[in-house]
Amino acid sequence: QVQLVQSGAEVKKPGASVKVSCKASGYTFTSQGISWLRQAPGQGLEWLGWISTHNGQPNYAQNLQGRVTMTTATSTSTAYMELRSLRSDDTAVYYCARTIIGGGIFLDYWGQGTLVTVSS
Amino acid sequence: SYELTQPLSVSVALGQTARITCGGYNIGSKNVHWYQQKPGQPPVLVIYRDTNRPSGIPERFSGSNSGNTATLTISRTQAGDEADYFCQVWDSITVVFGAGTKLTVL
Repeated sequence: QVQLVQSGAEVKKPGASVKVSCKASGYTFTSQGISWLRQAPGQGLEWLGWISTHNGQPNYAQNLQGRVTMTTATSTSTAYMELRSLRSDDTAVYYCARTIIGGGIFLDYWGQGTLVTVSS
Repeated sequence: SYELTQPLSVSVALGQTARITCGGYNIGSKNVHWYQQKPGQPPVLVIYRDTNRPSGIPERFSGSNSGNTATLTISRTQAGDEADYFCQVWDSITVVFGAGTKLTVL
């Protein structure tokens, strides 16, 4: 069965960076992309971008351009999302999700989420 | 930027039919996807490309999309259907979500 397992919760100070991992299993990693999303406490879903696991090409949402980097390691079927220059409003649960392309994009399997807390 | 409008909350009596709408300009020309999220859990895809159910999603969940409104319909609503529901589309270069609808089962 398809599974996406994310790394554990993080607590960071403002200005620091965080890197979240997402290990995929149960399917061919390079056959589908990976999106990253976040959900601030009590809020809705915000898409951060997606990365092609086939060629490593990322596509970032405009609001985070320059602060986010998405990468993959095909040898370990793992995707990574790094967010720099953290601010308090980056506090959220971060999700990875398998990304289906075709008639747009949708997300058919999700990781369990990683809570990132930014606090001084 | 493209916007999706959902009602903040919908209430339905146990066993009845719930309808959750998602409004957007000419949304009928886009593929709409729906996610269910229960407290403390990640979202789960319940409808993709307007009307399709992933494996494991009950037939009670169905979707439609026309004009300026897409609709998620939940028939014979159960207590376990109580959750937040989000609609989602792809708009040119970005994924767009509605703000979510809290479904309460009475």
